[in-house]
Amino acid sequence: DGGITQSPKYLFRKEGQNVTLSCEQNLNHDAMYWYRQDPGQGLRLIYYSQIVNDFQKGDIAEGYSVSREKKESFPLTVTSAQKNPTAFYLCASSITSIYGNQPQHFGDGTRLSIL
Amino acid sequence: KQEVTQIPAALSVPEGENLVLNCSFTDSAIYNLQWFRQDPGKGLTSLLLIQSSQREQTSGRLNASLDKSSGRSTLYIAASQPGDSATYLCAVNDMRFGAGTRLTVKP
Repeated sequence: DGGITQSPKYLFRKEGQNVTLSCEQNLNHDAMYWYRQDPGQGLRLIYYSQIVNDFQKGDIAEGYSVSREKKESFPLTVTSAQKNPTAFYLCASSITSIYGNQPQHFGDGTRLSIL
Repeated sequence: KQEVTQIPAALSVPEGENLVLNCSFTDSAIYNLQWFRQDPGKGLTSLLLIQSSQREQTSGRLNASLDKSSGRSTLYIAASQPGDSATYLCAVNDMRFGAGTRLTVKP
């Protein structure tokens, strides 16, 4: 079955530590996205990538970094510069279309907490 | 900057009722609007996508409409069921999300 796999499901970060969240898709989608969701709030865009080796900052990129070395993988690193990282992180992918007619597919998320 | 608002934040209805969820956006220059369902602790599932050239989309008991000129979209759920209980989010241009409406359908 095709889909998006996020791992781990739960992650704990110590002070001053960088942690990396994994996102892998086997849907052959060009575009991938990272969002942050805080309790009772909608999703906020952290980074997105339309093509391999290229990515753009979203609304809340400070304290985060990404890479897109392979089409199927888009890992997110939460750096020690992100002072309030506790949140639910969601990865999504979609087919790039100039017609805007391709839905996004989401993984099941990673819940990050501070130790 | 595009702002997306969903009202109400929460809604509780008895089973069998028809209901409407609202989504408004500030910039009418959109290429699509999506409605998603999110169950607790889970990712999002796409329900309906409306392209900017379309006015509505239907899937089963769900119907979504889009009025770009007024900056509004509605999600209509017919004959609601307890299994419809979830949070419903709208998103504009794949990147701007509302905070969602938490729906509870009581048996």
